[in-house]
Amino acid sequence: QKEVEQDPGPLSVPEGAIVSLNCTYSNSAFQYFMWYRQYSRKGPELLMYTYSSGNKEDGRFTAQVDKSSKYISLFIRDSQPSDSATYLCAMSAVNFNKFYFGSGTKLNVKP
Amino acid sequence: ETGVTQSPTHLIKTRGQQVTLRCSSQSGHNTVSWYQQALGQGPQFIFQYYREEENGRGNFPPRFSGLQFPNYSSELNVNALELDDSALYLCASSGGTGAHNEQFFGPGTRLTVL
Repeated sequence: QKEVEQDPGPLSVPEGAIVSLNCTYSNSAFQYFMWYRQYSRKGPELLMYTYSSGNKEDGRFTAQVDKSSKYISLFIRDSQPSDSATYLCAMSAVNFNKFYFGSGTKLNVKP
Repeated sequence: ETGVTQSPTHLIKTRGQQVTLRCSSQSGHNTVSWYQQALGQGPQFIFQYYREEENGRGNFPPRFSGLQFPNYSSELNVNALELDDSALYLCASSGGTGAHNEQFFGPGTRLTVL
């Protein structure tokens, strides 16, 4: 079983839609949960991170962590064509000496 | 503030050769992590260097080795290249004046092994 599972998509939505991206994990030691955006042929870009359980909001983006279910989500409101990219979840324990990434979900927002 | 840079951008090698990839960390960061990203996959953690010492390692064989220098730049060395080593190699810097979980990635080096 992989440490982090993520639906690869692709996910295609119309402009303005609410997008939900999800990851599940198996290691209960994970405490930090990150979301990255990666455009084609570029390095990943950190969008936001959450420590332990709870919600965090940043503009159109909301990250949620449910540690009891080992399930994390990223919501994108009012999606734009510029949001079209691959979204990667990542996790680490508190010592930060190893990071685990999901396989990425490819998102396409149609104008 | 200078971001993370990597060199070279692209590289073509043949099976059995050795390769060295380079990474300059973002100003103020003292930790560098290296990742291998195969096409259509997420980054796989290779190892991390903190203050010139290996600080964590993923499931990669010993022919993947690294160094970190006093200025916190880093090298990834891969010996006895195999076809499956073809991938995008990413480095990410963190720590120091920044948070350890906030990794900033370089653009990557695309390695092709023939």
